Amino acid sequence: QSALTQPASVSGSPGQSITISCTGTSSDVGGYNYVSWYQQHPGKAPKLMIYEVSNRPSGVSNRFSGSKSGNTASLTISGLQAEDEADYYCSSYTSSSTHVFGGGTKLTVL
Amino acid sequence: EVQLVQSGAEVKKPGESLKISCKGSGYSFTSYWIGWVRQMPGKGLEWMGIIYPGDSDTRYSPSFQGQVTISADKSISTAYLQWSSLKASDTAMYYCARYGKLLPIGGASNWGQGTLVTVSS
Repeated sequence: QSALTQPASVSGSPGQSITISCTGTSSDVGGYNYVSWYQQHPGKAPKLMIYEVSNRPSGVSNRFSGSKSGNTASLTISGLQAEDEADYYCSSYTSSSTHVFGGGTKLTVL
Repeated sequence: EVQLVQSGAEVKKPGESLKISCKGSGYSFTSYWIGWVRQMPGKGLEWMGIIYPGDSDTRYSPSFQGQVTISADKSISTAYLQWSSLKASDTAMYYCARYGKLLPIGGASNWGQGTLVTVSS
């Protein structure tokens, strides 16, 4: 199975909104509502930010939201803050009963 | 509090074997899937495989099938990732993570601190 496709980098100014896309196939993103998003700061373990396409775990800011259309999922961060600068990864359950990650997107807050 | 505590950093030579561990606490270890994720230096996350400690049902990414073995000992709430013959290309940070209850779906809500494996002659 191939990695999901994410843009290598995105950037935005504080207070703005940004969206990170995650494109897969009908065998993963398009076939299941089990897309997750993770935030990873340098030298730290990943943190779950969104699960099942659009659900936020307890404690995650409501500035983070997720959606899906067809084979593409998206993570939107509104009201950008300096602390949001990190790497973001999408992940999906697949038809092989496994999971697959995207290549990751580096978010820069200008 | 749910915790996953991984074993410490390892430095090995090519061809050596290795088994790293991930001990779960604060929840019913046998009821949740545990996954393993590789992160090579400066690179992204790669999903390796997942195990259900309740019955040791295990799934592997095609990229890692045959390259590693995932196991679990439910009596001590510990999952393992092992190699029989390490290669320099196995140098990476390895994370364990807790996935869903009963089914291997959904997001990984809890992560271990990572185990750095360095393979060098």
